[in-house]
Amino acid sequence: DQQVKQNSPSLSVQEGRISILNCDYTNSMFDYFLWYKKYPAEGPTFLISISSIKDKNEDGRFTVFLNKSAKHLSLHIVPSQPGDSAVYFCAALLYEGNDMRFGAGTRLTVKP
Amino acid sequence: EAGVAQSPRYKIIEKRQSVAFWCNPISGHATLYWYQQILGQGPKLLIQFQNNGVVDDSQLPKDRFSAERLKGVDSTLKIQPAKLEDSAVYLCASRTGEKLFFGSGTQLSVL
Repeated sequence: DQQVKQNSPSLSVQEGRISILNCDYTNSMFDYFLWYKKYPAEGPTFLISISSIKDKNEDGRFTVFLNKSAKHLSLHIVPSQPGDSAVYFCAALLYEGNDMRFGAGTRLTVKP
Repeated sequence: EAGVAQSPRYKIIEKRQSVAFWCNPISGHATLYWYQQILGQGPKLLIQFQNNGVVDDSQLPKDRFSAERLKGVDSTLKIQPAKLEDSAVYLCASRTGEKLFFGSGTQLSVL
């Protein structure tokens, strides 16, 4: 079952510009949404999260926006840096059930 | 704070052989997960533990996969016998709050 979907397998942006990664979900019961970043040969690392009761969370260059009516969230990276080049996974959590589901990932390439 | 430890990092076996992976979660984290990540896909949950009890193993192929968590700390995941389609990265994670923390994973190649 694909409860979390990332429809763009890849994204390429120029250094200094904005990167926007998108994610859609189907289960309105999810309590939290998270973004993970993954470099080759490493495990995913936590980047930023947002509670389902909020619509925006910001941490430095990273901002996550949540649109519950559209069941859509996005990650904005401003400004993008070459070190941001990685695969980004969107995840959704049912807190009580400990159930976290992941999207297929978007490969971001930031060109110098 | 030490992260999630996994071993081995890489394993190459032939089909029908057996293999085992080990995970040591972050100290104090009661919830532990094993995920399978096939190239080009997101992590897929295999099993989750709360302390040493299984919470969800609905997606674990129980005819060939098994997992245990001894004393609610370390965990092992075993595949016996392995199939070609088991080639993947096996990720262990432990949880605090809403965040999962992952180990570096074990890259399994089944030939």
